[in-house]
Amino acid sequence: DTAVSQTPKYLVTQMGNDKSIKCEQNLGHDTMYWYKQDSKKFLKIMFSYNNKELIINETVPNRFSPKSPDKAHLNLHINSLELGDSAVYFCASSSRLASYNEQFFGPGTRLTVL
Amino acid sequence: AQKVTQAQTEISVVEKEDVTLDCVYETRDTTYYLFWYKQPPSGELVFLIRRNSFDEQNEISGRYSWNFQKSTSSFNFTITASQVVDSAVYFCALRDSNYQLIWGAGTKLIIKP
Repeated sequence: DTAVSQTPKYLVTQMGNDKSIKCEQNLGHDTMYWYKQDSKKFLKIMFSYNNKELIINETVPNRFSPKSPDKAHLNLHINSLELGDSAVYFCASSSRLASYNEQFFGPGTRLTVL
Repeated sequence: AQKVTQAQTEISVVEKEDVTLDCVYETRDTTYYLFWYKQPPSGELVFLIRRNSFDEQNEISGRYSWNFQKSTSSFNFTITASQVVDSAVYFCALRDSNYQLIWGAGTKLIIKP
């Protein structure tokens, strides 16, 4: 059983398209995150949700919209994709927001915008 | 400002050598946690260790050991008798009082057979 899963693993699309990445965790965690990892491997937090509520919204274009239908899911929708959106996107979860427990990561989604 | 610095961009050693990955952090918080994650070539991020700011004991797990020194704001990671399977990018991260993870830029470790 995968603890944090993401679909799809690879996503190749044209500029201007809209796409979604899905994330699910079966750990019973309250908090979920989206990270972007660029080509130089630099990891940047994009969003954090706690119990379906947005907690952290870093400086991310509003073309990116997270949606949390329930505690176990945090999906990422991206409108009007641009070349610079090409990256690996990681979903993660941790037990509680006010916790110093480690974050568990999904396998990543490699997004390529042509 | 909170910051994590991994000054070594890439390290290359021959198998069986020992190697130390450096991590220096900056924070004004008195309570914080430090983490190490491994990202092998397959791409997933794997948790290795968590250390809180009140526990300066060194940690050893098999061939891995961690040296936490508050006096120098460092949390270094040593692999003893390295193996090819240790080849990966290793990230150090700081979790601050706002519960955000602040990541270092990563160190790419190459173990040559």
